[in-house]
Amino acid sequence: QKEVEQDPGPLSVPEGAIVSLNCTYSNSAFQYFMWYRQYSRKGPELLMYTYSSGNKEDGRFTAQVDKSSKYISLFIRDSQPSDSATYLCAMAKSGTYKYIFGTGTRLKVLA
Amino acid sequence: GAGVSQSPSNKVTEKGKDVELRCDPISGHTALYWYRQSLGQGLEFLIYFQGNSAPDKSGLPSDRFSAERTGGSVSTLTIQRTQQEDSAVYLCASSLGVGGNTIYFGEGSWLTVV
Repeated sequence: QKEVEQDPGPLSVPEGAIVSLNCTYSNSAFQYFMWYRQYSRKGPELLMYTYSSGNKEDGRFTAQVDKSSKYISLFIRDSQPSDSATYLCAMAKSGTYKYIFGTGTRLKVLA
Repeated sequence: GAGVSQSPSNKVTEKGKDVELRCDPISGHTALYWYRQSLGQGLEFLIYFQGNSAPDKSGLPSDRFSAERTGGSVSTLTIQRTQQEDSAVYLCASSLGVGGNTIYFGEGSWLTVV
């Protein structure tokens, strides 16, 4: 079993839809949770960073962490064609350098 | 610099040739990472540097792969006798420290071995 599981998609939604992207993990020691966006032929770009459980909101993006269920989510409100990209979750334990990445979910927002 | 800088951005090489990929991390970042991303795959950890030393080289796929970092800054990933399966994007990232510090990626070096 992989430490981090992420549905690869592709996920196609109409413009304006609410998008939910998810990752599950097996290691309860993970404390830091990140979401990266990666456009085609570009490097991953940090979108959201969360420590431990709870929600964090930034504009149209909301990150949620549920440590009891070992489940993290990224919500995108009012999705735009420019949101079409691959979204990678990543997580890390306290005091470690090893960031574990999901395989990424490919999202396509249709105009 | 403002961000992580990688060169070359694209490289096409013949099977059997050696290649060098360069990474210039964000100024002041002590931690530096190399990852590999193959088509449709997730990020595969290759090596981590803290300063100039590499405490973890466990991700390097074979002894054809090596990396060094000098002056606590620039790093070079070298692939000797390239094979077609080495074709991938090689991503460099850096962070201020470890244990939850955000890592920032470069744009990647896109390697094609023909």
